[in-house]
Amino acid sequence: DTAVSQTPKYLVTQMGNDKSIKCEQNLGHDTMYWYKQDSKKFLKIMFSYNNKELIINETVPNRFSPKSPDKAHLNLHINSLELGDSAVYFCASSQESGVWETQYFGPGTRLLVL
Amino acid sequence: RKEVEQDPGPFNVPEGATVAFNCTYSNSASQSFFWYRQDCRKEPKLLMSVYSSGNEDGRFTAQLNRASQYISLLIRDSKLSDSATYLCVVNHNAGNMLTFGGGTRLMVKP
Repeated sequence: DTAVSQTPKYLVTQMGNDKSIKCEQNLGHDTMYWYKQDSKKFLKIMFSYNNKELIINETVPNRFSPKSPDKAHLNLHINSLELGDSAVYFCASSQESGVWETQYFGPGTRLLVL
Repeated sequence: RKEVEQDPGPFNVPEGATVAFNCTYSNSASQSFFWYRQDCRKEPKLLMSVYSSGNEDGRFTAQLNRASQYISLLIRDSKLSDSATYLCVVNHNAGNMLTFGGGTRLMVKP
């Protein structure tokens, strides 16, 4: 009965590959997010998405793209992986996109690019 | 300058101590403020929201000073289970895109 789940938990891959991380929430929330936490533990927003709009952090390379097959899922696709993409990626969701909404995070996906 | 700045610590305190963390943010248009807690190798979880009037939840008290762009968290009677990284978080963008500080690490010892 996990609220926000991500798969895989660990992902080890070679430079240049294309990979996807899946995220599902069973909370009935309208808005989902992707965050990246680098080796220095800084957590940075990548995308915010609901069924009306996608907001992209301008610093995110266009090799990263979110795909939402339905309201409960927001998958992250990464093309041409680079060493610097190694990080922990967290998915999150909130009921709506208001500024005081609590965000619930998934357990994270640890990506290592070799 | 980082948008949200925190002392990384670690703060090493004995059980029962009172400890305070501070945070400053650079964007005066920030609209909402939070403290999240992150345990080692786990996801962040909301600890409390920080309202202009301050907020108290049991042993935890958060204060906001908009004029100084300063947020604080006070933990009284520290428990071993309080050991974690405390993340100061602000929201000033559309789409509820949170900006996190680098976190302050707290270690409570017996």
